[in-house]
Amino acid sequence: DAGVIQSPRHEVTEMGQEVTLRCKPISGHDYLFWYRQTMMRGLELLIYFNNNVPIDDSGMPEDRFSAKMPNASFSTLKIQPSEPRDSAVYFCASSLAPGANVLTFGAGSRLTVL
Amino acid sequence: QKEVEQDPGPLSVPEGAIVSLNCTYSNSAFQYFMWYRQYSRKGPELLMYTYSSGNKEDGRFTAQVDKSSKYISLFIRDSQPSDSATYLCAMSDYNAGNNRKLIWGLGTSLAVNP
Repeated sequence: DAGVIQSPRHEVTEMGQEVTLRCKPISGHDYLFWYRQTMMRGLELLIYFNNNVPIDDSGMPEDRFSAKMPNASFSTLKIQPSEPRDSAVYFCASSLAPGANVLTFGAGSRLTVL
Repeated sequence: QKEVEQDPGPLSVPEGAIVSLNCTYSNSAFQYFMWYRQYSRKGPELLMYTYSSGNKEDGRFTAQVDKSSKYISLFIRDSQPSDSATYLCAMSDYNAGNNRKLIWGLGTSLAVNP
């Protein structure tokens, strides 16, 4: 398996623009997580899905953030409108129950909002 | 006070040294303890996984959990330059319920000098 695939790897955009990050989890994994990582706050869980259903989105900062998982092999995280404080590395991770604490992370999407 | 505290370092050691990395936590309900390693510009990868108290050894790596002191450690023997990375501790009180949230430390940056 190719692992968790994220795109784009790097994104530079201007404040106010829409940003869409994409993730393909490992085939057969039934949990998918979106994390954000910054130097100051470390890894923050934004949202996670189980069998394509959002389970906990309490970490989503505000209404500007939304996430979808239309099928078992694809998820998106959208920021609209983007702000400079959204600049961070966004990671997607997947896991297989019952070992759901064992996360396999993608390489991340580095977002810079100017 | 954060639920999980981890000294960010940086920690710099000579090749061959024994390295000790630590995290303290406040939630006595945590049962699952993990160490993830993150190389620069990469996603975290699972290094060690322990349940409850005790030690676990894997090659040059030993993970220790002391639940009475709410303290976990990762020891690296005969450290190598390839061990240079950020080490993140993570923990969970996951049980048969639906809590898939890991609580993360900020990570300790380690440099092993040849």
